[in-house]
Amino acid sequence: AQSVSQHNHHVILSEAASLELGCNYSYGGTVNLFWYVQYPGQHLQLLLKYFSGDPLVKGIKGFEAEFIKSKFSFNLRKPSVQWSDTAEYFCASYSGAGSYQLTFGKGTKLSVIP
Amino acid sequence: ETGVTQTPRHLVMGMTNKKSLKCEQHLGHNAMYWYKQSAKKPLELMFVYNFKEQTENNSVPSRFSPECPNSSHLFLHLHTLQPEDSALYLCASSQEGLAGNEQFFGPGTRLTVL
Repeated sequence: AQSVSQHNHHVILSEAASLELGCNYSYGGTVNLFWYVQYPGQHLQLLLKYFSGDPLVKGIKGFEAEFIKSKFSFNLRKPSVQWSDTAEYFCASYSGAGSYQLTFGKGTKLSVIP
Repeated sequence: ETGVTQTPRHLVMGMTNKKSLKCEQHLGHNAMYWYKQSAKKPLELMFVYNFKEQTENNSVPSRFSPECPNSSHLFLHLHTLQPEDSALYLCASSQEGLAGNEQFFGPGTRLTVL
């Protein structure tokens, strides 16, 4: 079965620091990959996604992620975080065409200190 | 209303009660999902409906009973729940074949079972 691993449970950064959140998936075939964010008290919303094309994907609010097939990774990055980025971040993956099974990682809580 | 809406937002029920959660999507999508979000656990997919037909059921206990009367509405009927069923229940929708099958989430129903 597909699994998604997020390496960090809780990350604490100061404003303007750079961010990288790790995500690894297990499925060896074609994957669709997503990063979702959940701000405090709000619902899950999409940050960015990869399903084909350029492996460097740019999303909303200055976030980007790079799909590295050889490493089964889809790490999320942002060069300079803001206090408003405080949230929980979830990596997710479908395994294969036609799959409806979206597998989520456990999430990484990001706290940004002003 | 836009996006995916869920009612009620909060629900407290006893173990002998029967209640229902409602989800409505205003996006014209053809697939809808129920997820369970518990503390310190990944989001768990419970049910998937595609074109109103249940396509996946991830071994969910029978005390949870889904209903999808049309492609815009999804219900989760609850009866004789256990305290460990207390969680945030999320509804999502997607359009098959569109942009990697991105899922759009509702705000969730926070369920407490006493």
